[in-house]
Amino acid sequence: DQQVKQNSPSLSVQEGRISILNCDYTNSMFDYFLWYKKYPAEGPTFLISISSIKDKNEDGRFTVFLNKSAKHLSLHIVPSQPGDSAVYFCAATGSGAGSYQLTFGKGTKLSVIP
Amino acid sequence: KAGVTQTPRYLIKTRGQQVTLSCSPISGHRSVSWYQQTPGQGLQFLFEYFSETQRNKGNFPGRFSGRQFSNSRSEMNVSTLELGDSALYLCASSGGGINTEAFFGQGTRLTVV
Repeated sequence: DQQVKQNSPSLSVQEGRISILNCDYTNSMFDYFLWYKKYPAEGPTFLISISSIKDKNEDGRFTVFLNKSAKHLSLHIVPSQPGDSAVYFCAATGSGAGSYQLTFGKGTKLSVIP
Repeated sequence: KAGVTQTPRYLIKTRGQQVTLSCSPISGHRSVSWYQQTPGQGLQFLFEYFSETQRNKGNFPGRFSGRQFSNSRSEMNVSTLELGDSALYLCASSGGGINTEAFFGQGTRLTVV
C-alpha cells in the first residue's frame, strides 16, 4: 500500500517556464514533507521541506505548497532550467507515522527542454 | 563540511555470499538511516540508528542487519545474498530529531550474480 504517491512518472517543460510536480499522501500521521532531487547513480539531494503547520515554503526558485485537507503537496520550480532535469522524489515523515524514517514516492522524472 | 560518505561505490557478489557496506555520516550527525532503491520498489527504508541504537526498522528480512559505532559510523550487512538484493543502497544522516532533513550519500551499487 503506497502511502506517498507521485502519479506522474514523467514531466517535460520548456526552459524558463514553471515546473509543477505533484505528490499525494494517505497517512494522516505524516506531518513533515520533503522534496529530493536525484541524478542517475547518485544519492538524492535535499531540496526543500515543509511542516504541516505551514501551507507554503519558498527557497529561491523552489516553492512547496501543502494542502492538508486534500493530503496533497506540490513543488513549483520557477523558472525551470536544463540543470533541473532529474528525478524528483517526494518524501514524508512524522512522529506518529514511523518516526525517524522517510516514506518516499516513486518519483517524477523532469525533463527541461532548452 | 564533508558530506555523507559510503564505501564501496560498487560491489559485485555471488548468490549466497554476504556483504558489508559502510557509511560515514556528516560530522556532528548522530542518526544514520539506510535505504534500498530498486527500479520496481523505489526507495525503501531499511533501518535507522541513533547513538548506537536501532530506533526503527523497515519490512526487510532478518538477512539485512546493521550497526552503528560510537563515532556514528554505520555498517549494513546482508547475508545469504539473493539476486533480488541487487540494488542501490543509500545511507542518510541527520541530527536525529523528529522532522529533520536527511542528507544522503552517493550510494553503493550492489550487483548479485
